[in-house]
Amino acid sequence: QQQVKQSPQSLIVQKGGISIINCAYENTAFDYFPWYQQFPGKGPALLIAIRPDVSEKKEGRFTISFNKSAKQFSLHIMDSQPGDSATYFCAPRGNSGAGSYQLTFGKGTKLSVIP
Amino acid sequence: EAGVAQSPRYKIIEKRQSVAFWCNPISGHATLYWYQQILGQGPKLLIQFQNNGVVDDSQLPKDRFSAERLKGVDSTLKIQPAKLEDSAVYLCASSLDTGSYGYTFGSGTRLTVV
Repeated sequence: QQQVKQSPQSLIVQKGGISIINCAYENTAFDYFPWYQQFPGKGPALLIAIRPDVSEKKEGRFTISFNKSAKQFSLHIMDSQPGDSATYFCAPRGNSGAGSYQLTFGKGTKLSVIP
Repeated sequence: EAGVAQSPRYKIIEKRQSVAFWCNPISGHATLYWYQQILGQGPKLLIQFQNNGVVDDSQLPKDRFSAERLKGVDSTLKIQPAKLEDSAVYLCASSLDTGSYGYTFGSGTRLTVV
């Protein structure tokens, strides 16, 4: 899990503001870069993902920016809403061998959006 | 589409007791994963199945943890004997195949060892 470093650990944003979460990785063999959203008592759910041949992907209020040379990718939440309050995980995917792919999760960022 | 089903939702046991968790993946998903999520951390993969065969169990503490997926559908994860540090949420996830990008997680079983 030390292959993936996520920051910040927690984030408080006012409603309507921009939330930014960063993820740095070491394994250059990662081939898929998703962000997962987890609400209390639930399992993680895929929010948005990007492949390394693209530098940015936008889906509604959520954007991933990917910097291959810096081995970093980030999640931007525009117009943050109280309903976005959750824990967010970066979880890049890599080949563990024998054709098996696995996600490596960061430690998570707890986002609180205050009215 | 029904999600990944897990039971029980909560379990409290004393240390040195045994416990078992059950998972029913999405229909047609060949790959099944068990993750351990300790409070305040990201999920950590314990074991990965492809149909009824083990693909990777390198992070499974085999002296106390075991898992099976006999018919390539449902799976059980067992801990025997449990230790205090096993307190965590145990998440099951499934995907169409080992190369698939889409993973669906269940809501997990919260285990407390006292």
